[in-house]
Amino acid sequence: EPEVTQTPSHQVTQMGQEVILRCVPISNHLYFYWYRQILGQKVEFLVSFYNNEISEKSEIFDDQFSVERPDGSNFTLKIRSTKLEDSAMYFCASSELLAGGLGTQYFGPGTRLLVL
Amino acid sequence: KQEVTQIPAALSVPEGENLVLNCSFTDSAIYNLQWFRQDPGKGLTSLLLIQSSQREQTSGRLNASLDKSSGRSTLYIAASQPGDSATYLCAGGGSEKLVFGKGTKLTVNP
Repeated sequence: EPEVTQTPSHQVTQMGQEVILRCVPISNHLYFYWYRQILGQKVEFLVSFYNNEISEKSEIFDDQFSVERPDGSNFTLKIRSTKLEDSAMYFCASSELLAGGLGTQYFGPGTRLLVL
Repeated sequence: KQEVTQIPAALSVPEGENLVLNCSFTDSAIYNLQWFRQDPGKGLTSLLLIQSSQREQTSGRLNASLDKSSGRSTLYIAASQPGDSATYLCAGGGSEKLVFGKGTKLTVNP
């Protein structure tokens, strides 16, 4: 069964460093998302991406964050200058467009980011 | 602003019991409602999607319902098994963005 994959599974970085989290969405899906979950808290929406542009973003997704689809298969989230509070599990998701609207969002296994 | 609440926060039941998990949301203009399962330290596994024009969905021992007018969704699990132990998350949205509840941590005791 097709699945969303993410790399790396874990990343440790120093505060102020740039990180790039990578995702391969399900191949026929058109909508891509990033969410994050700080330990013990709710899963929070960051951004959605469709047709090579951001379609919706949250207040969390400030100028330090960017997303890109550099080729036909990868979808990346870049954090330019990491802060301690960016430590979280980051999930990528993708969905297809059905006749009745957006379909199920399928989530990847996540990248656990630790900022020291 | 959409807010999603799940009650109870935790539930412990004996194996074989039927159970109901509750989810409520503040904005009835919900586009779709999705139920997920999350195992400790793991990703989210989608269980059921109810689109705005639907009222319920079933998959195996799971049945989810959506009542937009009352702002509620329920997940019914029949004949629970120890392998069902996990945190169950409800998420709804107005468009692409899903707003998540904090989840119900379910423990099914053998």
